[in-house]
Amino acid sequence: AQSVAQPEDQVNVAEGNPLTVKCTYSVSGNPYLFWYVQYPNRGLQFLLKYITGDNLVKGSYGFEAEFNKSQTSFHLKKPSALVSDSALYFCAVRDWTGGRSIPTFGRGTSLIVHP
Amino acid sequence: NAGVTQTPKFRVLKTGQSMTLLCAQDMNHEYMYWYRQDPGMGLRLIHYSVGEGTTAKGEVPDGYNVSRLKKQNFLLGLESAAPSQTSVYFCASTTQSYEQYFGPGTRLTVT
Repeated sequence: AQSVAQPEDQVNVAEGNPLTVKCTYSVSGNPYLFWYVQYPNRGLQFLLKYITGDNLVKGSYGFEAEFNKSQTSFHLKKPSALVSDSALYFCAVRDWTGGRSIPTFGRGTSLIVHP
Repeated sequence: NAGVTQTPKFRVLKTGQSMTLLCAQDMNHEYMYWYRQDPGMGLRLIHYSVGEGTTAKGEVPDGYNVSRLKKQNFLLGLESAAPSQTSVYFCASTTQSYEQYFGPGTRLTVT
């Protein structure tokens, strides 16, 4: 069975500082990894993904994530945080079960960027 | 492209009442999903569909039924609503490169 863990319920960072939102995963095969962002009263929006290739992937709004196979991690990063980055962030992993792709989401991490 | 749309946006039900939530996508996606989101619980998969005419159970299917009669529509039904089904419901569909597109959500309150 697959699983995703986001160990921090909340991350606080000052505007202009770098930010990291942590995600670790467990799958039986090769992972397909995703980050999504949710702004208040909205649906989730896709940010970036790792399927294969370069371990550092770049996504929307200046976000990037680093795939680390040995540590089974896929942390979300941004060099300089903006107040507008404040939102709920979800990590997700896809597993192929019986030929079907079933995504599993973490519980989410609330990012608060202080002015 | 409207993307993924959900109807209605808000609904209040009394215990025992029934309702259907409609999800529609205009991107020709095969896979569609229904999730519920509760505080501190993240997203939990209720049911999903891998194509027209097919449905399957997710993590929390009890108390819900679904149908996918047309490729672009995925319906979620509550036959006898319970207060435990108070939640925000999201529909999603998946591109061929595995990214999910989400609808804006339906906020359901069962009293």
